[in-house]
Amino acid sequence: QVRLQQSGPGLVKPSQTLSLTCAISGDSVSSSGVTWNWIRQSPSRGLEWLGRTYYRSKLYTDYAESVKGRVTINPDTSKNQISLQMDSVTPEDTAMYFCARDDYSRGYSAGFDVWGQGTMVTVSS
Amino acid sequence: EIVLTQSPGTLSLSPGGRATLSCRASQTVPSTDLAWYQQKPGQAPRLLIHSASIRATGIPDRFSGIGSRTDFTLTISRLEPEDFAVYYCQQYCCSPRTFGQGTKIEIQ
Repeated sequence: QVRLQQSGPGLVKPSQTLSLTCAISGDSVSSSGVTWNWIRQSPSRGLEWLGRTYYRSKLYTDYAESVKGRVTINPDTSKNQISLQMDSVTPEDTAMYFCARDDYSRGYSAGFDVWGQGTMVTVSS
Repeated sequence: EIVLTQSPGTLSLSPGGRATLSCRASQTVPSTDLAWYQQKPGQAPRLLIHSASIRATGIPDRFSGIGSRTDFTLTISRLEPEDFAVYYCQQYCCSPRTFGQGTKIEIQ
């Protein structure tokens, strides 16, 4: 059974960097049959996809335009986890953050089938 | 960016009732690239349907999806007490992946 366990601070000061990790069990971060995604949810923005990382003979990463340049998603094969780093946060980045797996094992996406438990991040001084 | 608009915002129904949820896309979405999720308070979304009509593993057959191009529907044939929740559609054909704003099914 695949599980995603999130960790990271729940409070970040404005202008600082938000850092979260998502530890993967039951699957591999370097698997070619999945992508690993970060999504956030807030009352004002709803569910917002931030970006993803995945391997298809080499590493790929892509980001939503709304956060491109401010967000970095990295896989860590030694720890079998992914990370999210968001720079220069503001109170508008206050949200519940989720990691999720997108299953491509059938050769096409079958939706985000496994989710982390979520991390509530508040941006406040 | 593909905008997904869900309706209604809230459905007030009784257990045993039938729920019909709509998701309209601002441009064509391949039916292979549309999913539905259920979310309960304090929990992550749960995948119900992918490829517009294929139930995810372990999802009961009272949940069904249909649709194509810009119009998609999720139907819950007989509401169980555990089905009262918020439901989201999502497209994953195109970047950025986008979600609808949700439909809440509440107990009447």
